[in-house]
Amino acid sequence: EDKVVQSPLSLVVHEGDTVTLNCSYEVTNFRSLLWYKQEKKAPTFLFMLTSSGIEKKSGRLSSILDKKELFSILNITATQTGDSAVYLCAGGINDMRFGAGTRLTVKP
Amino acid sequence: GAVVSQHPSWVICKSGTSVKIECRSLDFQATTMFWYRQFPKQSLMLMATSNEGSKATYEQGVEKDKFLINHASLTLSTLTVTSAHPEDSSFYICSARARGAYNEQFFGPGTRLTVL
Repeated sequence: EDKVVQSPLSLVVHEGDTVTLNCSYEVTNFRSLLWYKQEKKAPTFLFMLTSSGIEKKSGRLSSILDKKELFSILNITATQTGDSAVYLCAGGINDMRFGAGTRLTVKP
Repeated sequence: GAVVSQHPSWVICKSGTSVKIECRSLDFQATTMFWYRQFPKQSLMLMATSNEGSKATYEQGVEKDKFLINHASLTLSTLTVTSAHPEDSSFYICSARARGAYNEQFFGPGTRLTVL
């Protein structure tokens, strides 16, 4: 059975801290791994990773995929209160399997 | 670019009635649309995948006669919850993947359904 596991499930940090969110996957048919940020409503797209070892970066956020070990990490540096959200990862080809998410709370 | 809308954003209905939710890709053609369901503090659960012009593929455990999906055009998919019951109350989110896109899905804002 396909499985996407995220850890930790929740995390509380202070502004300025750096966080690392983990996503491991066991997906039968895999093409890419996606990261999303979900605040109050629908998830917003962050990254799509298809190749191992190539870091994707957007501002303070970065992510990398390890296809051999079947995991990905999402890093957020110099966190801000606006980073508070649930971060979801998903893996697959056509229909993506989502993890349970990591709820990040950034305190001022 | 890549904007997906959903209508309505919230709906309250009586038990036994049917509710239709629309999902539209506003600035791109979506060959594939996905319907998800999300319970409070839980992740997205894929309900079905629909490709334009063909029947939807439902995930195991999702009743296709209860959750009718139609993907009649490249910009519109609809989900109809038939004979809704209180246990169908949930947040329903659609996503769309553009023609030629690799794998990115862009999500609509979601529809909160409450069945009394």
